[in-house]
Amino acid sequence: NAGVTQTPKFRVLKTGQSMTLLCAQDMNHEYMYWYRQDPGMGLRLIHYSVGEGTTAKGEVPDGYNVSRLKKQNFLLGLESAAPSQTSVYFCASSYTESGGNIQYFGAGTRLSVL
Amino acid sequence: ILNVEQSPQSLHVQEGDSTNFTCSFPSSNFYALHWYRWETAKSPEALFVMTLNGDEKKKGRISATLNTKEGYSYLYIKGSQPEDSATYLCAFWHRPKTSYDKVIFGPGTSLSVIP
Repeated sequence: NAGVTQTPKFRVLKTGQSMTLLCAQDMNHEYMYWYRQDPGMGLRLIHYSVGEGTTAKGEVPDGYNVSRLKKQNFLLGLESAAPSQTSVYFCASSYTESGGNIQYFGAGTRLSVL
Repeated sequence: ILNVEQSPQSLHVQEGDSTNFTCSFPSSNFYALHWYRWETAKSPEALFVMTLNGDEKKKGRISATLNTKEGYSYLYIKGSQPEDSATYLCAFWHRPKTSYDKVIFGPGTSLSVIP
């Protein structure tokens, strides 16, 4: 059982380039989340999805877009990367958004924007 | 703006010492408080889900308490071992009256246990 899988694990971009991060989960979870993690700031929610075909903004959505075309996949896109988007990105999933349901995290994607 | 704080930021203890750290969160619209353990080069893994004021949870040598009225939770580790070295995150879930549940993570406490 793979759980939550993120690809790629590492990426280096030049300013202005675009890329898509893929998150896949095999637990049939309804909810999926994208976070970024920066030193001293904890995990900050970028976007999340409450089910196939639906997405919502989190705490820091600017500069990112997401799509959830299939229940098991949640894509995070950077249309024009900026150095401020250098970070470690984590995807998570849970059965519901309920506070009683824990989130399962992927291994992270380390992105550097030069 | 809701703020979740954790203290201390980092901690170094000797093997065998007991230790504790704090997560502080807003006391209004509380829904749940999660603790996660995050080892270097791995993903965060859930330790506890706490939902009721006065909750106490225990898993082996690790335990946690919750005070929703004053807005804090303590995580205790008894007899620390080198394998306890990790960052411990708390995640505060709140239930606003007019929107979906929201989760806010604290910045974490980094624990190093010296053999």
